[in-house]
Amino acid sequence: DTGVSQDPRHKITKRGQNVTFRCDPISEHNRLYWYRQTLGQGPEFLTYFQNEAQLEKSRLLSDRFSAERPKGSFSTLEIQRTEQGDSAMYLCASSLSSGKSGGYTFGSGTRLTVV
Amino acid sequence: RKEVEQDPGPFNVPEGATVAFNCTYSNSASQSFFWYRQDCRKEPKLLMSVYSSGNEDGRFTAQLNRASQYISLLIRDSKLSDSATYLCVVNVPLTTDSWGKLQFGAGTQVVVTP
Repeated sequence: DTGVSQDPRHKITKRGQNVTFRCDPISEHNRLYWYRQTLGQGPEFLTYFQNEAQLEKSRLLSDRFSAERPKGSFSTLEIQRTEQGDSAMYLCASSLSSGKSGGYTFGSGTRLTVV
Repeated sequence: RKEVEQDPGPFNVPEGATVAFNCTYSNSASQSFFWYRQDCRKEPKLLMSVYSSGNEDGRFTAQLNRASQYISLLIRDSKLSDSATYLCVVNVPLTTDSWGKLQFGAGTQVVVTP
């Protein structure tokens, strides 16, 4: 396990379709985070998990977004009824309990384009 | 007001020169601070943590001023490979989690020219 893996790397979808992204964190990391990044902006927090528990969900996350981490390992982020404004890079990161020692390790991201 | 604010730049720096920039944060409860580096269309990568007493990592020096709530990064002897966006990052504690989450600034773009 060499890092955080995200799949797919790129996704093009038509407006109104549902999409699901997967993240596999570093195996010993118990925390997993989802961020979204648009051009010229820093990553914006969406949600995070400690093991299988979802601890916080950003107000940015409308009810069209849902994230799960059913067994405390990989996580999925689903967007229902996609809109053009959902086009962004979706980044997953993982860390040990607090991350104090070294912040997060990010995956390469999933770039979503809604047409 | 944004929780973490940075000058977007770009800072155009001749190779070999020194460049410095900073960011401000709004949450006085933040306890951990980082600089991340992000190359174009790549994921952010941790550059260095920032400690209260200031710290160096090779050509990079980070400083923290808790009273004024700002963090700085200085790059000496700039290399072409230092061209990137530098993200200022602080933790935001939550009522249910003292560590909380990381909040990112929008980044400062540095362009090192030959």
